[in-house]
Amino acid sequence: EGQLVQSGAEVKKPGESLKISCKGSGYSFISYWIGWVRQEPGKGLEWMGIIYPGDSDTKYSPSFQGHVTISADKFISTAYVQWTSLKASDTAMYYCVRQGGLHSYIYDWGQGTLVTVSS
Amino acid sequence: VLTQSPGTLSLSPGERATLSCRASQSVSNNYLAWFHQRPGQPPRLLIYGASRRAAGIPDRFSGSGSGTDFTLSISRLEPEDFAVFYCQQYGSLPFTFGPGTKVDIK
Repeated sequence: EGQLVQSGAEVKKPGESLKISCKGSGYSFISYWIGWVRQEPGKGLEWMGIIYPGDSDTKYSPSFQGHVTISADKFISTAYVQWTSLKASDTAMYYCVRQGGLHSYIYDWGQGTLVTVSS
Repeated sequence: VLTQSPGTLSLSPGERATLSCRASQSVSNNYLAWFHQRPGQPPRLLIYGASRRAAGIPDRFSGSGSGTDFTLSISRLEPEDFAVFYCQQYGSLPFTFGPGTKVDIK
């Protein structure tokens, strides 16, 4: 059974940069896609994008393209999402998820990383 | 775009729940999943491929439908079922979620 463990909660100011992580264990990290899902406080789920750590092939939702960067380091079995300039509207819970293939259902969810952006 | 109805469903434990998920265009290969999310927890997979129950999911949950219209049925609601349910299509990029249906206790 695989597991995804995310980095801890973050409090940042508008305009600051941030990189949060998701470490996979208990499975072959390079053989599964890792996606990211945003959930604003009290709101629904939004699919952000996905990466294949084996070759770093990355797909983005148009809603997030250009505002976040998804990456992965296969040598330490960790995926990331980063922002260069945070906005208050980035305040949300961010989940990483594991999928068996690009067009596959979500097997696992990380526990979530709460990002709060406030001046 | 995925649309879920109703927005909120108020039922009693033991009752049957029927949730709808409608897509604006046909979902490729019926790659449609249902998730259940309790407050403060990540979502949990219930159904994938429109009708296949995920491992460990009780048989009171069932999924049906194809093309643009999908349904999640819960035969007899248990107390732990009262939460928010989301559908997701993973057949075409970008993958998208529906807005959710909240099932609360009547």
